[in-house]
Amino acid sequence: AQKITQTQPGMFVQEKEAVTLDCTYDTSDQSYGLFWYKQPSSGEMIFLIYQGSYDEQNATEGRYSLNFQKARKSANLVISASQLGDSAMYFCAMREFYTGNQFYFGTGTSLTVIP
Amino acid sequence: DAGVTQSPTHLIKTRGQQVTLRCSPKSGHDTVSWYQQALGQGPQFIFQYYEEEERQRGNFPDRFSGHQFPNYSSELNVNALLLGDSALYLCASGTHLKETQYFGPGTRLLVL
Repeated sequence: AQKITQTQPGMFVQEKEAVTLDCTYDTSDQSYGLFWYKQPSSGEMIFLIYQGSYDEQNATEGRYSLNFQKARKSANLVISASQLGDSAMYFCAMREFYTGNQFYFGTGTSLTVIP
Repeated sequence: DAGVTQSPTHLIKTRGQQVTLRCSPKSGHDTVSWYQQALGQGPQFIFQYYEEEERQRGNFPDRFSGHQFPNYSSELNVNALLLGDSALYLCASGTHLKETQYFGPGTRLLVL
């Protein structure tokens, strides 16, 4: 089974609008972390936001927030007030702290911001 | 404060050759992980180094090997290159005490 599922291959959003990128995960570990990374066409993976499985509040970092629903095993990324520079690939990732150090990545969502 | 650096940025090899990719972690970081990202896919974990030892390995053949040096920098070696090894190779660094990994700009390898 896939550890991370991103079901939206591509998304479009109008500039200054908000957009939600979906991510579901699969794990039997009790302690894990969820991450979102942005990958522009240059290739570098840029860390955006982190949510720990024991964190009770949803993580926020500037215009990024993570909508964490533990019972549904979802960790959606919300980008508010989209900017043209937000156009990129977005990857959801998970790390299981009991079983190792590797990150499991989804297949990504391509976001295009329209002027 | 320099982030994660990788060299070279691009590389072209032919089948059967060997390649070495290099990574310097972010200052203060002691773990280095390597990932392979094929076109249109998410990164796949190759292995992680900590204290100069391979701590965990993904589902990659023994043709993929690595090394970590006392200054925490790392090398990824791939022997007997196949066409399917063409990909973006990403290095990520972190500390064994914290959760997040930070990635370098990657090395684009093309095998002809």
